[in-house]
Amino acid sequence: AQSVAQPEDQVNVAEGNPLTVKCTYSVSGNPYLFWYVQYPNRGLQFLLKYITGDNLVKGSYGFEAEFNKSQTSFHLKKPSALVSDSALYFCAVRDMGRRALTFGSGTRLQVQP
Amino acid sequence: DARVTQTPRHKVTEMGQEVTMRCQPILGHNTVFWYRQTMMQGLELLAYFRNRAPLDDSGMPKDRFSAEMPDATLATLKIQPSEPRDSAVYFCASGPDLAGITDTQYFGPGTRLTVL
Repeated sequence: AQSVAQPEDQVNVAEGNPLTVKCTYSVSGNPYLFWYVQYPNRGLQFLLKYITGDNLVKGSYGFEAEFNKSQTSFHLKKPSALVSDSALYFCAVRDMGRRALTFGSGTRLQVQP
Repeated sequence: DARVTQTPRHKVTEMGQEVTMRCQPILGHNTVFWYRQTMMQGLELLAYFRNRAPLDDSGMPKDRFSAEMPDATLATLKIQPSEPRDSAVYFCASGPDLAGITDTQYFGPGTRLTVL
């Protein structure tokens, strides 16, 4: 069965500094990986996805993610954090054989001014 | 700007009452998903549909939950009778089903359910 792990419940970073939110996955076969962001009292917003090809995927709001097959990781990154990036971030993998997403437990990103 | 809509946004009810949540997927999307979000369990799939047919409802308590798509523009999730442990945020998501498992799912704002 597919699974996703987000090892950090919370990440704190100062505004202007680079940020990384970690995600590791376990799948059989090719991984299809997604990042979503959730702001308070809102639904999940799609940020980016990895399907195949370039290991560095660029997404919305200046976010990018690096796929590393040998480390089975898909870490979310941004070169310069904004206070408005503070939110809950979810990594997800698509289940083979069904189209539903399996989500990680989420990482709360707190960007301090 | 196409988006998934859900009603109601908030629902407070008493144990034993019937609850119906509605979702309007993005026009043209023919896969619809229901997820539940709780502090303890995180985000978990309840059911999903493709072309209005249920494909997987293994995450749903069968004795009290039911999900349907009466037409392509409406998906419903019903709980009868509701219990306090059903308190959660219920999300609907839709996808275009163009590229299969690589499709992006787009989420609605959720229905926050509180069962007293």
